[in-house]
Amino acid sequence: SAVISQKPSRDICQRGTSLTIQCQVDSQVTMMFWYRQQPGQSLTLIATANQGSEATYESGFVIDKFPISRPNLTFSTLTVSNMSPEDSSIYLCSVGGTSGYTGELFFGEGSRLTVL
Amino acid sequence: AQSVTQPDIHITVSEGASLELRCNYSYGATPYLFWYVQSPGQGLQLLLKYFSGDTLVQGIKGFEAEFKRSQSSFNLRKPSVHWSDAAEYFCAVVLSGNTGKLIFGQGTTLQVKP
Repeated sequence: SAVISQKPSRDICQRGTSLTIQCQVDSQVTMMFWYRQQPGQSLTLIATANQGSEATYESGFVIDKFPISRPNLTFSTLTVSNMSPEDSSIYLCSVGGTSGYTGELFFGEGSRLTVL
Repeated sequence: AQSVTQPDIHITVSEGASLELRCNYSYGATPYLFWYVQSPGQGLQLLLKYFSGDTLVQGIKGFEAEFKRSQSSFNLRKPSVHWSDAAEYFCAVVLSGNTGKLIFGQGTTLQVKP
């Protein structure tokens, strides 16, 4: 398994600003993903965070809005840019296992963003 | 298109009663199947998973799920529900292979009556 820490756990932001969420894993993992959970909704995959290269975005998500960095195998950041109230969501980091991918993902507790 | 459907948005059961949460998927091949639970204010916790083999899988907290290929279903069951089981339950799938991408169902909110 892997222990995932996300910062901040929650924040209140003003419209038009940007916020960076950090995801720290206690061991090296190959697979890392970012999900969004809008209020009362299910989880939607934003992108795959690729170590040392550009993230791979899912349909409906673009790099200009959600830039992602992954400088090494234990850390990633997701930035939510030029926020609007529609960006109010929980953003979750998830990773595959530390012994390679076995089909299971582990999740952080999420970062709850409220945009006013 | 690939999809995961949880037909029941909200279910209420009495404490001690049995529980079944439904999940259907739409894929060409047999995917990896998962059930996750999300308690209020908490992250997601894996209850159980199915990759291959025995179609009845046991998970944590007394949960089990049965994969039925003919029905494209992976329903979650528990013989006796506890008040602490009240939470949001998500069925999820990932295509066989190493994509790692989870596709989630809409979720089922479980309420437990005393």
